[in-house]
Amino acid sequence: AQSVAQPEDQVNVAEGNPLTVKCTYSVSGNPYLFWYVQYPNRGLQFLLKYITGDNLVKGSYGFEAEFNKSQTSFHLKKPSALVSDSALYFCAVRDGSENNRLAFGKGNQVVVIP
Amino acid sequence: NAGVTQTPKFQVLKTGQSMTLQCAQDMNHNSMYWYRQDPGMGLRLIYYSASEGTTDKGEVPNGYNVSRLNKREFSLRLESAAPSQTSVYFCASSEVWRTDTQYFGPGTRLTVL
Repeated sequence: AQSVAQPEDQVNVAEGNPLTVKCTYSVSGNPYLFWYVQYPNRGLQFLLKYITGDNLVKGSYGFEAEFNKSQTSFHLKKPSALVSDSALYFCAVRDGSENNRLAFGKGNQVVVIP
Repeated sequence: NAGVTQTPKFQVLKTGQSMTLQCAQDMNHNSMYWYRQDPGMGLRLIYYSASEGTTDKGEVPNGYNVSRLNKREFSLRLESAAPSQTSVYFCASSEVWRTDTQYFGPGTRLTVL
């Protein structure tokens, strides 16, 4: 079964500094990878996804993620963090089989310090 | 477009009571999902409906039932609520059931006393 690991509970970063949120995954077969963001008392919002093609994926709000097959990672990055980026970030993976289950990581709280 | 809507937003139940969580989407999506979110555990899939007329169990289906009423609506029923079902429940939908992005509703915060 597919699984996702987000090793850090919380990521603190100063406003204007680069932001990285780590994600590693485990699937049998080719992975479909997603990042979602959740603001307080809201549902999850889609940021970006990797299905196939270019390993560097660009998404909403200036975020991007790099698919690394050898390291089974899909880290989320933003060159310059904003205070408004403070939120809970979820990585998710689905394998390419008939299994429709999207496995989510436990989430990373990002705190951007003014 | 409203996207995915859920009712109610908040609910408090006593152990043993029943209730139905409602979900509707106006994006003409084929697939719909119910998740629960618990602190430190991410989201776990309860049930999903790959297309109108079909439903399947997810990771944590015990204690729940679902109905895909039509293409737009997918309800989740708790027949006899238990404190372990205290959680935030999210409905989601996607156009294609395997590869497509899932879009989430705002959630229902349920407390079972």
